[in-house]
Amino acid sequence: GAVVSQHPSRVICKSGTSVKIECRSLDFQATTMFWYRQFPKKSLMLMATSNEGSKATYEQGVEKDKFLINHASLTLSTLTVTSAHPEDSSFYICSAATSKGTMSSSFFGPGTRLTVL
Amino acid sequence: GQQLNQSPQSMFIQEGEDVSMNCTSSSIFNTWLWYKQDPGEGPVLLIALYKAGELTSNGRLTAQFGITRKDSFLNISASIPSDVGIYFCAGPSGSNTGKLIFGQGTTLQVKP
Repeated sequence: GAVVSQHPSRVICKSGTSVKIECRSLDFQATTMFWYRQFPKKSLMLMATSNEGSKATYEQGVEKDKFLINHASLTLSTLTVTSAHPEDSSFYICSAATSKGTMSSSFFGPGTRLTVL
Repeated sequence: GQQLNQSPQSMFIQEGEDVSMNCTSSSIFNTWLWYKQDPGEGPVLLIALYKAGELTSNGRLTAQFGITRKDSFLNISASIPSDVGIYFCAGPSGSNTGKLIFGQGTTLQVKP
């Protein structure tokens, strides 16, 4: 159980185009989903917190108009990188959290490699 | 804000050797998590620690939650080539949100 998928696994796009990445919790309902970004040989940096039916909460320094997040259901969140530029090239990873009592558990997706030409 | 300092940054060891890495925090954590990330993949949870002083094993992996609640270590015994990857410590950022803060990672390479 507790499987999180991401689609696509890798995408190459031209500068100026927009790219949508999907994150799905396959066998559980996620109260919250998180989007992380990872540069080569670096740690995961949280970009935003996504709650179903409400606006996402963005970390300091992350442009909300650049990285649009939609959390349409308890099993799906999408991240759209708008007007992508080469510096947006990165590994984007989502995690889906579920709560049981006072404990929260996060399960990570396999990541999406974005390359902007 | 909260920060996790992980060391060493990288390790290159011989197959069969034991490995130890640690993580320290500037503030108290109530949970410590250790993840492994293979190239091009998302992190996979190895061990979760919920209680100060707790020592937990998962196969050849052992992790401990420091009694000060500001540190944790992960040991890997008798390393094998498939142990190669990046190991991250992580802790909750905020309360009961599933939101995590990560250490910088320890890159492990194992020579057969």
